[in-house]
Amino acid sequence: DGGITQSPKYLFRKEGQNVTLSCEQNLNHDAMYWYRQDPGQGLRLIYYSQIVNDFQKGDIAEGYSVSREKKESFPLTVTSAQKNPTAFYLCASSIVVDSNQPQHFGDGTRLSIL
Amino acid sequence: GNSVTQMEGPVTLSEEAFLTINCTYTATGYPSLFWYVQYPGEGLQLLLKATKADDKGSNKGFEATYRKETTSFHLEKGSVQVSDSAVYFCALSDRRDDKIIFGKGTRLHILP
Repeated sequence: DGGITQSPKYLFRKEGQNVTLSCEQNLNHDAMYWYRQDPGQGLRLIYYSQIVNDFQKGDIAEGYSVSREKKESFPLTVTSAQKNPTAFYLCASSIVVDSNQPQHFGDGTRLSIL
Repeated sequence: GNSVTQMEGPVTLSEEAFLTINCTYTATGYPSLFWYVQYPGEGLQLLLKATKADDKGSNKGFEATYRKETTSFHLEKGSVQVSDSAVYFCALSDRRDDKIIFGKGTRLHILP
């Protein structure tokens, strides 16, 4: 079945460490997105990519980095510069960046700081 | 800028009750509107969408009508079930922007 796979489901980080969250899709979608979800705050866009080797900052990009070397993959690195990284992270994709096209979501990664 | 406001939760109803979750939006253009649902521990799933004024989106007994005159997209269901317990997000997407704007979500509890 086609879909979006995020791994791991749970991730723990020590302070000062970088961690990378994986997102893979087999939907042949051009556009991919990373969101952060905190209780009571909805979803906030971190980064998005419309095409391979290109990506743009979202509303809360500070302390995060991404790469898009393959169409299927859009990993997110949470760096030590992100002071409050504990959150639920959601990856999404869509056919193109088009207002009529819905986004498809993975099941998320919950990141906690030890 | 564009924004979405939806009613705060949690909303608690008994099974078979009528559901309304209010959503209003602010947009300078002509956005597409969406409702997404998130079950515990999962990502978001598209529930329904409407792309122009007076369109009605529907799915799984849920409905929402795109009302340009009141800038609203309220979610309704005539008879809710325990399995409808989840968090519901209203969202909009504007052709002039690359992003989808999400509301803060409304948690729904259905009691048997």
